[in-house]
Amino acid sequence: GAVVSQHPSRVICKSGTSVKIECRSLDFQATTMFWYRQFPKQSLMLMATSNEGSKATYEQGVEKDKFLINHASLTLSTLTVTSAHPEDSSFYICSARDRATSYEQYFGPGTRLTVT
Amino acid sequence: EDQVTQSPEALRLQEGESSSLNCSYTVSGLRGLFWYRQDPGKGPEFLFTLYSAGEEKEKERLKATLTKKESFLHITAPKPEDSATYLCAVIGSYIPTFGRGTSLIVHP
Repeated sequence: GAVVSQHPSRVICKSGTSVKIECRSLDFQATTMFWYRQFPKQSLMLMATSNEGSKATYEQGVEKDKFLINHASLTLSTLTVTSAHPEDSSFYICSARDRATSYEQYFGPGTRLTVT
Repeated sequence: EDQVTQSPEALRLQEGESSSLNCSYTVSGLRGLFWYRQDPGKGPEFLFTLYSAGEEKEKERLKATLTKKESFLHITAPKPEDSATYLCAVIGSYIPTFGRGTSLIVHP
């Protein structure tokens, strides 16, 4: 149980284009989803928190117009990197939890984004 | 503000050499302390949740313990496949706070 998937696992895009990353909870209802960014050999950096049906709450320094987050259902959240630039290249990881049952969060496998 | 400090940053062990990883925390009203394992290029894998001081949990060669100020992840007779980064996180109010992790390498 508690499986979270992410798609795509890897994506290469050209500078200026937009990229959408999907995060799905496969066997539980994710009332809350988190989006993280991770640089090589560094810890997780929380970008935003989203609750189903509500607008995402972004961490300080994260541009909400650049990183669009949608959490339209209890099993799906999407992160869209708009007008991507090389500095957006990173490892993006989502996590999900069902706060109705516990505070444990389960992570997806991550998406490696490379912007050329 | 919740804070998590993990030590050491890196740890090298010989196969079979037991050791412990430390997670020190400050949090207002602990709702849970979590341990994760992360392999390179992958998302963190959930290991344990501890809720109150004195609680212990075990899984194979791993044992997690909790006090009011810190948690330990004990690794007994580690194997090379235990090599990974181990992350600790706490949650007080709503948003989890992660430590920077301990990178463990177990040599055969």
